[in-house]
Amino acid sequence: DTGVSQNPRHKITKRGQNVTFRCDPISEHNRLYWYRQTLGQGPEFLTYFQNEAQLEKSRLLSDRFSAERPKGSFSTLEIQRTEQGDSAMYLCASRTGTAGNTIYFGEGSWLTVV
Amino acid sequence: KQEVTQIPAALSVPEGENLVLNCSFTDSAIYNLQWFRQDPGKGLTSLLLIQSSQREQTSGRLNASLDKSSGRSTLYIAASQPGDSATYLCAVRQETGGFKTIFGAGTRLFVKA
Repeated sequence: DTGVSQNPRHKITKRGQNVTFRCDPISEHNRLYWYRQTLGQGPEFLTYFQNEAQLEKSRLLSDRFSAERPKGSFSTLEIQRTEQGDSAMYLCASRTGTAGNTIYFGEGSWLTVV
Repeated sequence: KQEVTQIPAALSVPEGENLVLNCSFTDSAIYNLQWFRQDPGKGLTSLLLIQSSQREQTSGRLNASLDKSSGRSTLYIAASQPGDSATYLCAVRQETGGFKTIFGAGTRLFVKA
């Protein structure tokens, strides 16, 4: 068990470019979450998967954002036509299906849009 | 809509002092409450998880309490050390809506040697 893994850890991109982040959850975890965190703030919920099904999306997730979890294992978060306001840390988390269990977070992927 | 508030936003204490961090939430329909630690530029490390039916949890020098009916939780840190310097985040897991976890903005703690 290596924990929740996120790649890349850091990404600098020019405004207008597309970026993709990958998350590998803990292997037996069927719940997977994406959060966004800006400096001085707590993480904000973006979207949630149960196995391969995306069950909820926040209003924060504009049409430029898309997330997938094709086989119920790893997940990707893609941001199209990046804007400077997208600069943030994108955190992935996972847990088992038992609602009371601890949620585990990855180290995050830092995005800087210049 | 659930809102989680943490007070104070920042705290500086001398080494060895006992301290209390506060968390409040507006909707008591929670499944559990979790305290996390976050070091600068890093992810979140879980410290303590309190189920809604529990009143407190302890781990080493940390003790977290939960008063679900009043919407409050505290994190008590005994005999603080410089290594405790970090941001502490409180988060509640909703009973509905995918059991998503809602976070406060955190308390930035600095322990002076």
